[in-house]
Amino acid sequence: GENVEQHPSTLSVQEGDSAVIKCTYSDSASNYFPWYKQELGKGPQLIIDIRSNVGEKKDQRIAVTLNKTAKHFSLHITETQPEDSAVYFCAAKTTGTASKLTFGTGTRLQVTL
Amino acid sequence: DAGVIQSPRHEVTEMGQEVTLRCKPISGHNSLFWYRQTMMRGLELLIYFNNNVPIDDSGMPEDRFSAKMPNASFSTLKIQPSEPRDSAVYFCASSLDRLEKLFFGSGTQLSVL
Repeated sequence: GENVEQHPSTLSVQEGDSAVIKCTYSDSASNYFPWYKQELGKGPQLIIDIRSNVGEKKDQRIAVTLNKTAKHFSLHITETQPEDSAVYFCAAKTTGTASKLTFGTGTRLQVTL
Repeated sequence: DAGVIQSPRHEVTEMGQEVTLRCKPISGHNSLFWYRQTMMRGLELLIYFNNNVPIDDSGMPEDRFSAKMPNASFSTLKIQPSEPRDSAVYFCASSLDRLEKLFFGSGTQLSVL
């Protein structure tokens, strides 16, 4: 089955700096890659997603890049703010009749003042 | 829309007792998911329904766990009998498009003593 690895597990940045979280996946047929943000005491919330036919997608301060050849994708947050502090999860969706969505292990991002 | 609604928010029970978790998906969504989140295992899919029919229950740990979706606006996850190792946060999520763009509820924190 699909295996999604996520790094780093924790990340601390100063307010205003950029943060990058990386994920790799094992199934080359995976075609959909979402990123979720989970704040303390809440459920994960979708913040951005990308399909395998697109190399990059941006939404204000967040962007996701996908390298299908290397089977990795990354989340980039620019001009970080304290409210960006949360746990971020990547995921990959396989194709076919037994399609599955597999989550990474999460990255705890701390934005310090 | 109020989003995905889960109840109870917290549940504390003794080993051997029956536990029932409830979920109301977003109106109009046709897929519903039950996830379990622990520090050790991260986010695990337990079961997912599409149009009220179970599609993938391969993540249900054992016969002690059962899930039902009697109609499009309600689902339950039952654990009988409960064990301390079932202690976790259980999330319900729903979507319009199967495994894409999931909306998560706030979760039920279950503690089995």
